[in-house]
Amino acid sequence: GAGVSQSPRYKVAKRGQDVALRCDPISGHVSLFWYQQALGQGPEFLTYFQNEAQLDKSGLPSDRFFAERPEGSVSTLKIQRTQQEDSAVYLCASRPLAGELYEQYFGPGTRLTVT
Amino acid sequence: GENVEQHPSTLSVQEGDSAVIKCTYSDSASNYFPWYKQELGKGPQLIIDIRSNVGEKKDQRIAVTLNKTAKHFSLHITETQPEDSAVYFCAASPTYGNNRLAFGKGNQVVVIP
Repeated sequence: GAGVSQSPRYKVAKRGQDVALRCDPISGHVSLFWYQQALGQGPEFLTYFQNEAQLDKSGLPSDRFFAERPEGSVSTLKIQRTQQEDSAVYLCASRPLAGELYEQYFGPGTRLTVT
Repeated sequence: GENVEQHPSTLSVQEGDSAVIKCTYSDSASNYFPWYKQELGKGPQLIIDIRSNVGEKKDQRIAVTLNKTAKHFSLHITETQPEDSAVYFCAASPTYGNNRLAFGKGNQVVVIP
C-alpha cells in the first residue's frame, strides 16, 4: 500500500522567504509527527498531531515555525522568513493509533536549502 | 527529556562478519526502543524494535538486546551483506506524553565486499 509521502522533495528558498512543506500520511493513521534532521544528525522532534489536534509543539525552534492538520489527514509545516539555520531535511511520520507503542512510518523527507 | 547516545559513529566490516552498534539512554521512563535504517535520500525505515518487558529480540540476521538496569541497548547484524551499508539510528520513547522518539546521532555502517 501507499506509504507516507512528502512534497516537494527538494526546496530552495532565499533567506527571508516563506515555505510550506506538505505531508500525506498513511490513510487512517491517527498520529502524525514532524521531525527536523540536520546534516549528519539524527531526526529531532518538532511537533505532534492526534487527528486534527496539535497536542505537542514543544520542539518547534521558533515562532517562525507553524504546523497544521485541519482535517486530521494531510499536514503542512510552514516556515516564515526562512533563515540559513533552517536548512535541513524535514521528515514526517505517521502512526496508526495514539498512545500506543507502534511503529512510526516515515516519509522520504523534504530537503530545504536556504541560500 | 530523553538523551540517546550512539557508538561508534562509523563502523566498517568485512562482508560476512558481524556488526554491533550500542546505544545508551538517560530516561528510565523510556520503554520502547526502535532501530531505523536510513539509506541516502530516503526516510528512516524501521528494522527492529524492542519493548522494555523483553531482553532480546531476533529477526533473521538482526537482533536487539536491552539492558534496562544499565540503560543501554544494542543492534547486532550477523552475516553482513553489502546492502546492509547504510546509516543506522537508535531511538527511545517514554510512556508519557505522545510517545515521540528521541534519536541518537546515527552510525554509518560500511560493509566491504
